[in-house]
Amino acid sequence: DTAVSQTPKYLVTQMGNDKSIKCEQNLGHDTMYWYKQDSKKFLKIMFSYNNKELIINETVPNRFSPKSPDKAHLNLHINSLELGDSAVYFCASSPSGTRDTGELFFGEGSRLTVL
Amino acid sequence: AQSVTQLGSHVSVSEGALVLLRCNYSSSVPPYLFWYVQYPNQGLQLLLKYTSAATLVKGINDFEAEFKKSETSFHLTKPSAHMSDAAEYFCAVSDLNFGNEKLTFGTGTRLTIIP
Repeated sequence: DTAVSQTPKYLVTQMGNDKSIKCEQNLGHDTMYWYKQDSKKFLKIMFSYNNKELIINETVPNRFSPKSPDKAHLNLHINSLELGDSAVYFCASSPSGTRDTGELFFGEGSRLTVL
Repeated sequence: AQSVTQLGSHVSVSEGALVLLRCNYSSSVPPYLFWYVQYPNQGLQLLLKYTSAATLVKGINDFEAEFKKSETSFHLTKPSAHMSDAAEYFCAVSDLNFGNEKLTFGTGTRLTIIP
């Protein structure tokens, strides 16, 4: 069983389109994240949710809208896609509370290419 | 805010030689530190972590790292490089400030193994 799974793994689309990436974790963790990895491999946090509540929103354009229907799922919807949105998007999860050391468990990534 | 700096964006070593990847941290509180590895077209996998127990931490695939508070360093080493070690390596520091829990990553070091 995959602990953190993302779909789709690859996404190619035109500028101006709207697309979504889905993420699910079966680890029982309370916190989920979206990270963006650019072409230079730099990883930057975008959002985090704890038990369906938005915790971190790191100055991401409001074209990006996360949604957490329950604590095991965190989806990312992107409106009006731009060329600069091309990247690999990673979903991750972590336990919270006294168990938390900050360790993240990552999905395999979703490579978005905007043409 | 916590941060990490990885010295050297590219490191090349011969197969069988010592691997040394450098990471320095900045933290206002005792840090939790991590090394992650990313193989081509894959997600990030935890190599090892320091969570204020032993300062010498052993991880998977014979990697280890030593936490040195006096040098604010957490360098990653492996005695003998293997071809399969070719990958991108990320150092990360945990920020567990309530309401802002996240991992902050360094810019990564690409390790190339020369046959």
